[in-house]
Amino acid sequence: AQSVSQHNHHVILSEAASLELGCNYSYGGTVNLFWYVQYPGQHLQLLLKYFSGDPLVKGIKGFEAEFIKSKFSFNLRKPSVQWSDTAEYFCAVNYGGSQGNLIFGKGTKLSVKP
Amino acid sequence: SQTIHQWPATLVQPVGSPLSLECTVEGTSNPNLYWYRQAAGRGLQLLFYSVGIGQISSEVPQNLSASRPQDRQFILSSKKLLLSDSGFYLCAWSSSGRLGNTIYFGEGSWLTVV
Repeated sequence: AQSVSQHNHHVILSEAASLELGCNYSYGGTVNLFWYVQYPGQHLQLLLKYFSGDPLVKGIKGFEAEFIKSKFSFNLRKPSVQWSDTAEYFCAVNYGGSQGNLIFGKGTKLSVKP
Repeated sequence: SQTIHQWPATLVQPVGSPLSLECTVEGTSNPNLYWYRQAAGRGLQLLFYSVGIGQISSEVPQNLSASRPQDRQFILSSKKLLLSDSGFYLCAWSSSGRLGNTIYFGEGSWLTVV
């Protein structure tokens, strides 16, 4: 069955620490990959996406993610987090490319201590 | 435990026909409810959200409408479908209160307008 796993339910970091949030998906052929973020008091918004090409994708606010096909992973990274990065982060996978179902992970809550 | 169901899972409709996608949540009361759409090749877009019965906020002007006739029921409708309405529609809920609470997604509905 198609599934997306986010390994960490809650991550707590101090400002300036480096961040890596894990995302793994079950095998399903062609995939499009997304990271979404929901800041406190706001709606979900797109952070970055991978459709094809360079597997290292850069998104907004200094975030990046690397698609490693052999590991079925799409981990989110940021070299130095800020307090304003406190939010919940969702990984999502579009199985079958753009015409496939969109499956979300359960989310990882990130708390950044000032 | 809380569950969310949406149906139908797939739908093929001719241009100009009406649409009704239904979503229900169980195991919680007074949830915030959402309808999102993912068009081919794009990320997720918030269409409507509701914080209570009869209270609907529209994020994007379009051919669609939403209604919340009961506390845990959220319906996405259209009187006359357009080709551009094709896409993957996701219902979601979060616990009542401020925006930013963890969001939980349904299985999704694929709409193809022909």
